[in-house]
Amino acid sequence: QVQLQESGPGLVKPSETLSLTCNVSGGSISSYYWSWIRQPPGKGLEWIGYIYYSGSTHYNPSLKSRITISVATSKTQFSLKLRSVTAADTAVYYCARNLVTGYMDVWGKGTTVTVSS
Amino acid sequence: DFHMTQSPSTLSASVGDRVTLTCRTSEGISSSLNWYQLKPGKAPKLLIYSASSLQSGVPSRFSGSGSGTDFTLTISTLQPEDFATYYCQQSYSTPLTFGGGTKVEIK
Repeated sequence: QVQLQESGPGLVKPSETLSLTCNVSGGSISSYYWSWIRQPPGKGLEWIGYIYYSGSTHYNPSLKSRITISVATSKTQFSLKLRSVTAADTAVYYCARNLVTGYMDVWGKGTTVTVSS
Repeated sequence: DFHMTQSPSTLSASVGDRVTLTCRTSEGISSSLNWYQLKPGKAPKLLIYSASSLQSGVPSRFSGSGSGTDFTLTISTLQPEDFATYYCQQSYSTPLTFGGGTKVEIK
């Protein structure tokens, strides 16, 4: 059974780059899309973007200028980089497996990232 | 972008109740609508995909219906473990978008 686990710093300074990794275990990264989603405190879910296992990406236009999603060469991890962060980027960040039909059938538990000096 | 509106934002109910959550989209999305359950500290859980298909392993008390712009998630007999926040999500077009959520709380 596929399991996902997010990892990365819990605290990032304003204007710096937030970097998170999602470890995929119990299954292959191949033939799926892999998403990042976030939930700011007290707010709803926001889709950040996804990557196909081959490396093609699709980003939310609201964040496109600041994000990069990549697949590790090991093919067992994928990553998120969000540049020039502000307090508005404080959120729980989730990674998820995206079926081609667009729904997310496996999620990680999420990791909390706080942007603060 | 497709804007998703969920109602109510909070629903107070008792164990054993039948509850219905609503999701409305700004434009028609055919049946490309999915439902998730979120609990603090736990991985979100896919309940329903493509408007009415029950995800494997999800109890049959959960059901979904609708097409076009109006969708519902029904829990036929509310169980203690069902108190959570529920989100709808459209997969008709990117950017993928979610509703604002409905929190089901104990009455």
